[in-house]
Amino acid sequence: DPKIIQKPKYLVAVTGSEKILICEQYLGHNAMYWYRQSAKKPLEFMFSYSYQKLMDNQTASSRFQPQSSKKNHLDLQITALKPDDSATYFCASSQDGAEQFFGPGTRLTVL
Amino acid sequence: GEQVEQLPSSLIVQEGASVLINCSYTDSASVYFPWYKQEPGKRLQFIIDIRSNMERKQTQRLTLLFDKKTKHLSLHITATQPGDSAIYFCSATSNMGYKLTFGTGTSLLVDP
Repeated sequence: DPKIIQKPKYLVAVTGSEKILICEQYLGHNAMYWYRQSAKKPLEFMFSYSYQKLMDNQTASSRFQPQSSKKNHLDLQITALKPDDSATYFCASSQDGAEQFFGPGTRLTVL
Repeated sequence: GEQVEQLPSSLIVQEGASVLINCSYTDSASVYFPWYKQEPGKRLQFIIDIRSNMERKQTQRLTLLFDKKTKHLSLHITATQPGDSAIYFCSATSNMGYKLTFGTGTSLLVDP
């Protein structure tokens, strides 16, 4: 489904570096989210935004910072990358609390 | 916080068989329960949902049952096909912040 775009599809980074994961949705939704899926943990909620305002943050580390420059964008900046950050990061969107539609994911590997 | 458990963790069936996936949650504030399917290397795909004011929902070969008292859901898939092979995730939300809490997933393999 090309209506939720995530870039890049794959990303390799070195420990200590900084990366930005891009998410754009063209479904006209007012809420956007980030989730993380790794081999060690099930799908894990990170952030939710509604009308470009933070609703919920379940990420303990301030190294993860969402950025919403436009209503249909929610990028994820990750600083001081660690190998444990290796995971697939999924963006999703919904209209209010209705069903969430997921993007294809960005697979991040930190060496 | 909410915890969601799924059983079994994996299933292998012959094409045409029916399967049952069980899901339980802990937070009585949860009101909405969407289910997703994930094929290898692909995005999560919404398949069915139910709200806490309902007991049953059916769509094509999927039937979702909900028991508020026991905090339990079960997804029944009939006449399975090889294309049903995927990981199935149960999730729950109280709608506060719209956060979805996911179960650990059930890996289904349908042999042709």
